[in-house]
Amino acid sequence: EVQLVQSGAEVKKPGESLRISCKGSGYRFTTYWISWVRQMPGKGLEWMGIIYPHDSGTKYSPSFQGQVTMSVDASNTTAYLQWSSLKASDTAVYYCARQLINHSDPWGQGTLVIVSS
Amino acid sequence: SSELTQDPAVSVALGQPVRITCQGDSLRTYYASWYQQKPGQAPLLVIYDKNNRPSGIPDRFSGSISGNTASLTITGAQADDEADYYCHSRDSNGYLFFGGGTKLTVL
Repeated sequence: EVQLVQSGAEVKKPGESLRISCKGSGYRFTTYWISWVRQMPGKGLEWMGIIYPHDSGTKYSPSFQGQVTMSVDASNTTAYLQWSSLKASDTAVYYCARQLINHSDPWGQGTLVIVSS
Repeated sequence: SSELTQDPAVSVALGQPVRITCQGDSLRTYYASWYQQKPGQAPLLVIYDKNNRPSGIPDRFSGSISGNTASLTITGAQADDEADYYCHSRDSNGYLFFGGGTKLTVL
């Protein structure tokens, strides 16, 4: 079974750093892009960017360029999304998804990030 | 353009058909995919590559495209279909994006 399992919920203070993870299994991890998607409370889905585990190539949405960093550990079939200095506006659920040419499937279960002083 | 426009809300009577639309220039070139999201759950792919259903998605879900408009049709809406639905596509630069979502209410 193809599966993406994300790390658990996080509660952080503004200015703190954070890295969340997304572990793939059941398929050849290095041959599919991984997308990251943000969903702010009560809002829609926003595509943040993609990373290619084979060579760690990335493409960021202009809205998120410079705000987050995507990385991957192919040997552990795990992708990461990282912030160096969190803001309250980063409070959201973050999803990873296996990205095929025209669709995303499957999705991870989501990681809730709460940033509050 | 990288915008996809969806109606914010649609309602349908139980057992009746309903169409959810998604409009955008990119759809003239690239397929849309559709995702169902229920409260507190991750999105679930229901249609991809115009009209393909992943394993486990009921055949009452179908997709179509006409010009710059993609449609998701549910023939015979069930109570379990009540959810938010998002369309998803890409542009020529490789950027991906979602529509704003449609909240489907089954009456």
